[in-house]
Amino acid sequence: GENVEQHPSTLSVQEGDSAVIKCTYSDSASNYFPWYKQELGKGPQLIIDIRSNVGEKKDQRIAVTLNKTAKHFSLHITETQPEDSAVYFCAASPPPGNTGKLIFGQGTTLQVKP
Amino acid sequence: AAGVIQSPRHLIKEKRETATLKCYPIPRHDTVYWYQQGPGQDPQFLISFYEKMQSDKGSIPDRFSAQQFSDYHSELNMSSLELGDSALYFCASSLHRYEQYFGPGTRLTVT
Repeated sequence: GENVEQHPSTLSVQEGDSAVIKCTYSDSASNYFPWYKQELGKGPQLIIDIRSNVGEKKDQRIAVTLNKTAKHFSLHITETQPEDSAVYFCAASPPPGNTGKLIFGQGTTLQVKP
Repeated sequence: AAGVIQSPRHLIKEKRETATLKCYPIPRHDTVYWYQQGPGQDPQFLISFYEKMQSDKGSIPDRFSAQQFSDYHSELNMSSLELGDSALYFCASSLHRYEQYFGPGTRLTVT
């Protein structure tokens, strides 16, 4: 089955710096890759996603890139702010059946220091 | 905008008891997913329903069952609870199986 690896497990940056989180997946047939932000005691919040027919997507300070050949995708956060501090999860939606179930990476704890 | 509603938010049960978790998806969403998240872990897929029919099944114990009702709300029934079942349980909903939106979760503690 699908396996998603996420790095790094923790990331500390200064406010205003950029942060990059990387994920690799194993099943080349996976076709949907969302990113979630989870704050303590809350449910995962969808922040951006990308489908396999697109190489890059941007939404204000957040961007995601996808390299299908290498089977990896990355989250880029620019001009980080203290409120960006949270756990970030990448995920992949694998076949068969494209039921939409998500296989998550292990998570990255991002700390933005003021 | 309306979000996914889960109840109860917190639940404390003893070993061997039964628990029922409820999920109310975003209106007009046709798919419901259940995930289990242990402390410091990533969410693990349990089961999903599309248009009230089970559409996929993950690492869900046989002691657990779930269904989706005619009004699209879903219930996760957990029997013979074990200490290891203590976790956060999330429900998510989507339209056409993309863009899953998660609820706030139910924290289950088994003592």
